[in-house]
Amino acid sequence: SQQGEEDPQALSIQEGENATMNCSYKTSINNLQWYRQNSGRGLVHLILIRSNEREKHSGRLRVTLDTSKKSSSLLITASRAADTASYFCATDNTGGFKTIFGAGTRLFVKA
Amino acid sequence: DGGITQSPKYLFRKEGQNVTLSCEQNLNHDAMYWYRQDPGQGLRLIYYSQIVNDFQKGDIAEGYSVSREKKESFPLTVTSAQKNPTAFYLCASSSQGSPGNTIYFGEGSWLTVV
Repeated sequence: SQQGEEDPQALSIQEGENATMNCSYKTSINNLQWYRQNSGRGLVHLILIRSNEREKHSGRLRVTLDTSKKSSSLLITASRAADTASYFCATDNTGGFKTIFGAGTRLFVKA
Repeated sequence: DGGITQSPKYLFRKEGQNVTLSCEQNLNHDAMYWYRQDPGQGLRLIYYSQIVNDFQKGDIAEGYSVSREKKESFPLTVTSAQKNPTAFYLCASSSQGSPGNTIYFGEGSWLTVV
């Protein structure tokens, strides 16, 4: 089944640096969403980008979508220790009902 | 406060036992979901329900069962047929079918086989 695949699997950076995570998917989509999960907790929705959008911002988050390459990126600027979490992309393929989650990128921000 | 409540947070199951995980939402959402997450992995869909008294199998439904008798409740039973049930289980809901709609998650339930 279609699935977003995040890259890298894990990322370790210093506080204040930017963090970039990438997501690739296989089939045409209507929307792509990014979620965050703190260890042992539920997922929290961060941002949704539609297939006709190329870039979207929300606070320190910037998401891009390139449908020709079937890829998306999530940029977190000026990272903080509190940003330490796993980040998942989720895709909705055209005509489908299910939202499919990738395996996630584990981000560790060192204070 | 509106949200999704899962219980219990931690559950231990003996070999051969059925156990039921509770999920209640007060968001007035039509759609509800159960996901399984293994350590360091993504989410896999077990079952989903778009409306009361209706539900469909997800990608890994074998060994699990659900019911949707009320809009706000979507309990998951892990049966003895599920051979490797140790995992983190997440219940979720959305206002309509998930495409294009934000999915809201509960805090999860840890199930361990002893």
